Amino acid sequence: EAGVVQSPRYKIIEKKQPVAFWCNPISGHNTLYWYLQNLGQGPELLIRYENEEAVDDSQLPKDRFSAERLKGVDSTLKIQPAELGDSAVYLCASSLSTSGGAHEQFFGPGTRLTVL
Amino acid sequence: SQQGEEDPQALSIQEGENATMNCSYKTSINNLQWYRQNSGRGLVHLILIRSNEREKHSGRLRVTLDTSKKSSSLLITASRAADTASYFCATVQNTGTASKLTFGTGTRLQVTL
Repeated sequence: EAGVVQSPRYKIIEKKQPVAFWCNPISGHNTLYWYLQNLGQGPELLIRYENEEAVDDSQLPKDRFSAERLKGVDSTLKIQPAELGDSAVYLCASSLSTSGGAHEQFFGPGTRLTVL
Repeated sequence: SQQGEEDPQALSIQEGENATMNCSYKTSINNLQWYRQNSGRGLVHLILIRSNEREKHSGRLRVTLDTSKKSSSLLITASRAADTASYFCATVQNTGTASKLTFGTGTRLQVTL
């Protein structure tokens, strides 16, 4: 079974440029997560989708970050414009979530963003 | 924001020794999970312990949970060089049908030959 796929794996851009990350979750997983991981830290949730609905985007900086999950499968995360402080690893995860369950999340390899 | 704090931040042991990592958290939880992250890769789920459980085993892993102290520990027995990685605890608060994972800051484990 294929895992969570993310692309690109690495991205280097200059500040003020836009950037987009793509995630393909595990087939059948209804919940998709985007996390931000700074160097030496644990991941922090940016946004969580249940199917195509963003049910938790409280930590997403909405002035420059946006996300979408069309048709409840693939998702894109966009930053426009990027700032130096956005340099980090962006992780996508998915899970099969059912009522009352304890859900393991499956993570992709991440996209390492460097903003110059 | 980070929910948990792991202790120690870094740990270096020799192959064959046991490694113990501790995690403290702040709020009530439904369950707690441990993840491993190898350098430059995504996180891999290791083990889940529910709030009504006190201890759980999986292969060379042993996890304990003390909800009264809001703490958990991960023990890796008979460590191998391949166990070298960062280990994160993640507290889980089920929100509806999905889980909200809040990660700690991680313990970086180095296992030398």
